[in-house]
Amino acid sequence: LAKTTQPISMDSYEGQEVNITCSHNNIATNDYITWYQQFPSQGPRFIIQGYKTKVTNEVASLFIPADRKSSTLSLPRVSLSDTAVYYCLVGVPSYNTDKLIFGTGTRLQVFP
Amino acid sequence: DADVTQTPRNRITKTGKRIMLECSQTKGHDRMYWYRQDPGLGLRLIYYSFDVKDINKGEISDGYSVSRQAQAKFSLSLESAIPNQTALYFCATSDLQPGELFFGEGSRLTVL
Repeated sequence: LAKTTQPISMDSYEGQEVNITCSHNNIATNDYITWYQQFPSQGPRFIIQGYKTKVTNEVASLFIPADRKSSTLSLPRVSLSDTAVYYCLVGVPSYNTDKLIFGTGTRLQVFP
Repeated sequence: DADVTQTPRNRITKTGKRIMLECSQTKGHDRMYWYRQDPGLGLRLIYYSFDVKDINKGEISDGYSVSRQAQAKFSLSLESAIPNQTALYFCATSDLQPGELFFGEGSRLTVL
């Protein structure tokens, strides 16, 4: 079971790039790394998922080093609307879903 | 319309009452989940179902039961509600591996 460790909170300003790192030292061979975003009183929303190297979509990039023991979610040029809690999950949803742990996430606050 | 719909969105009840939270989805996914979130905490898995005939306990199933009435419907019941079951409850679905979790908008339950 891959436990994840993230910073509890981060602050940023509009227009800056934000990098949130997640540690997962005992990630398994078949595990994927998935990041979710959650706004208050809403369900988490999928941001990005990767297995190795770099993945980029329209909202974020995910950097995964060769040893896969950590990953970094990169949000380019954040805005106030990016203020939310970000969760890093490691595992294979639908296979070992009962082992997926959301944890407390990283609370990102973006200031004007 | 939302792909994953939860009803009711808000409910206040009294200790000892039986409560049912319902979830329906239009994504055609076989896999469905119920999570609970307490203030400042991450999500914890209550029950999950990989198909209509498959029901599995999650991390915190005590005091809860579920029913998978059809592929599209997954209900969570509190047979005798107690105050520490006051929380925000989320239903989610997922597709095949590696899978992305799709969440409903949540049902806020208050037990007095």
